[in-house]
Amino acid sequence: EPEVTQTPSHQVTQMGQEVILRCVPISNHLYFYWYRQILGQKVEFLVSFYNNEISEKSEIFDDQFSVERPDGSNFTLKIRSTKLEDSAMYFCASSEDPSWKNIQYFGAGTRLSVL
Amino acid sequence: QKEVEQDPGPLSVPEGAIVSLNCTYSNSAFQYFMWYRQYSRKGPELLMYTYSSGNKEDGRFTAQVDKSSKYISLFIRDSQPSDSATYLCAMTSLDSGGGADGLTFGKGTHLIIQP
Repeated sequence: EPEVTQTPSHQVTQMGQEVILRCVPISNHLYFYWYRQILGQKVEFLVSFYNNEISEKSEIFDDQFSVERPDGSNFTLKIRSTKLEDSAMYFCASSEDPSWKNIQYFGAGTRLSVL
Repeated sequence: QKEVEQDPGPLSVPEGAIVSLNCTYSNSAFQYFMWYRQYSRKGPELLMYTYSSGNKEDGRFTAQVDKSSKYISLFIRDSQPSDSATYLCAMTSLDSGGGADGLTFGKGTHLIIQP
């Protein structure tokens, strides 16, 4: 069964460092998403991406965040200068075509620990 | 007022019981409603998806949406210990441009099925 894959499963970084989280969406999906989940809190939407540009972003997705689809299969989330409060699980998701159904499939997540 | 409210539990029931999980929401624009299951430190796994009001059944799972009351439910029949997990409700609208709206999640209900 096709699935969304994310790497690494766990990333440890020092405050102020840049990190790149990687995702391979399901191959025939057109829309890609990033979410985060701080421990004990809700899953929160960060950004959606379609046709090589951001479709929608939340208030959380400020200038320290960026997304990119560097090739035909990968989708990345970059955090430019990490802060302690960026420690969370980051989930990538993809959907086939939300114009008629918005069924999003999630990866297993990357746990980001900022020290 | 929070957009999506969900009792975090824990909800503990004996094996074989019928489980009822619920969410309320405030945004009348929500049209797509999902239930995800999440195991500890894993990604959300899609269980059920419904559009607008009505019922949908899939095996032991039934999802109900009452848009007039802004209330959604997930029922699990013949519950099994393997059903023990956190159940997340999620919902979204579809913006006028047909873009990819992010999902708005509830906090999740921690369900424990006792053998």
